Amino acid sequence: DQQVKQNSPSLSVQEGRISILNCDYTNSMFDYFLWYKKYPAEGPTFLISISSIKDKNEDGRFTVFLNKSAKHLSLHIVPSQPGDSAVYFCAGWGGKLIFGQGTELSVKP
Amino acid sequence: DVKVTQSSRYLVKRTGEKVFLECVQDMDHENMFWYRQDPGLGLRLIYFSYDVKMKEKGDIPEGYSVSREKKERFSLILESASTNQTSMYLCASRLGGLAGGADTQYFGPGTRLTVL
Repeated sequence: DQQVKQNSPSLSVQEGRISILNCDYTNSMFDYFLWYKKYPAEGPTFLISISSIKDKNEDGRFTVFLNKSAKHLSLHIVPSQPGDSAVYFCAGWGGKLIFGQGTELSVKP
Repeated sequence: DVKVTQSSRYLVKRTGEKVFLECVQDMDHENMFWYRQDPGLGLRLIYFSYDVKMKEKGDIPEGYSVSREKKERFSLILESASTNQTSMYLCASRLGGLAGGADTQYFGPGTRLTVL
């Protein structure tokens, strides 16, 4: 039972444009949702989170939106930069982290 | 700066061998975790430990065991390695208790294990 799903394995975006990464979940008991970023040969690093009682959280170029009725969240990166190219994991928190499958973002110069 | 280190970056073992993956953290974190990362499957939790000598099964514990004799060290053991255990293994640690929020989990660099 996949509680957190990222249905797009990959995404390609032009530098300077917006990147939108999507995530769906089934567990209504998650307290927080988090996004992690992973470069090859490195461990994932925390990027941004959102509480389940909020619908938006912003940190610089990164914004996460939460739609609880649709059980959907998205990460927006504006403007996208080549250094943003990485695998992005969405995760739900309910005492432990449950991760999605990941989306590989490629930002082309 | 939080540091989670893993004993090897790359490891090649033969089917049937006993394999030890070591993880050490230097931030006095109570909680430690082992995940494996596979294409299309994301990060899946194998085992975790809330404190010394404590362990809990994650989502995919079959074929694995763990040991936590000291707070800073969490070992993953493959009793008899099989080819389907070829994967990237990631260790993580996090503060426990009320301070252990969702965003305090830090990962090591990973061990790429190949079982031939």
